[in-house]
Amino acid sequence: GAVVSQHPSWVICKSGTSVKIECRSLDFQATTMFWYRQFPKQSLMLMATSNEGSKATYEQGVEKDKFLINHASLTLSTLTVTSAHPEDSSFYICSAEVAGRETQYFGPGTRLLVL
Amino acid sequence: KNEVEQSPQNLTAQEGEFITINCSYSVGISALHWLQQHPGGGIVSLFMLSSGKKKHGRLIATINIQEKHSSLHITASHPRDSAVYICAVREIGDDKIIFGKGTRLHILP
Repeated sequence: GAVVSQHPSWVICKSGTSVKIECRSLDFQATTMFWYRQFPKQSLMLMATSNEGSKATYEQGVEKDKFLINHASLTLSTLTVTSAHPEDSSFYICSAEVAGRETQYFGPGTRLLVL
Repeated sequence: KNEVEQSPQNLTAQEGEFITINCSYSVGISALHWLQQHPGGGIVSLFMLSSGKKKHGRLIATINIQEKHSSLHITASHPRDSAVYICAVREIGDDKIIFGKGTRLHILP
């Protein structure tokens, strides 16, 4: 149980295009989903926290207009990288949490390469 | 500011060796996680601890709340244990998790 999936697992796109990444909790309802970014050989960095039905809370330095997060249901959150640039190339990971439980379940990640 | 420090940063050992990875943090926490990240990036949650000790197969995790320290042990290590092991903590009263930089473990056959 407690499986989180991400789609796509990897994506290559041209600079200036937008890319949408989906995060789904497959067998539980996630009240909160988190989006992380990880550059090579660095730690995961929290980008934003999203609660179902409300606006995401972004960490300092993360542009909310560039990284659009939608948490439309208890099983789905999406991250859209708008007008992607090569410096946005990274590994994006989501995690999901059930209210009252202090465990986050991690997705397998999405590797984004912007050419 | 809560810092999460892991040691060692890199560890290479022979198959069968007993492995210990350490994690120290600086503020009060409600939970500590040990995560495993394989080449290719996928993350697996190994343990969540708030006190004491947990064991799963060849993996053992301990935490000392007073000393703000946790250890992850691997017994009878195997090449498939090669991965990055990440310590992460949740500060009391906060939703966010703070991650350590990880320990890169390489087990030689």
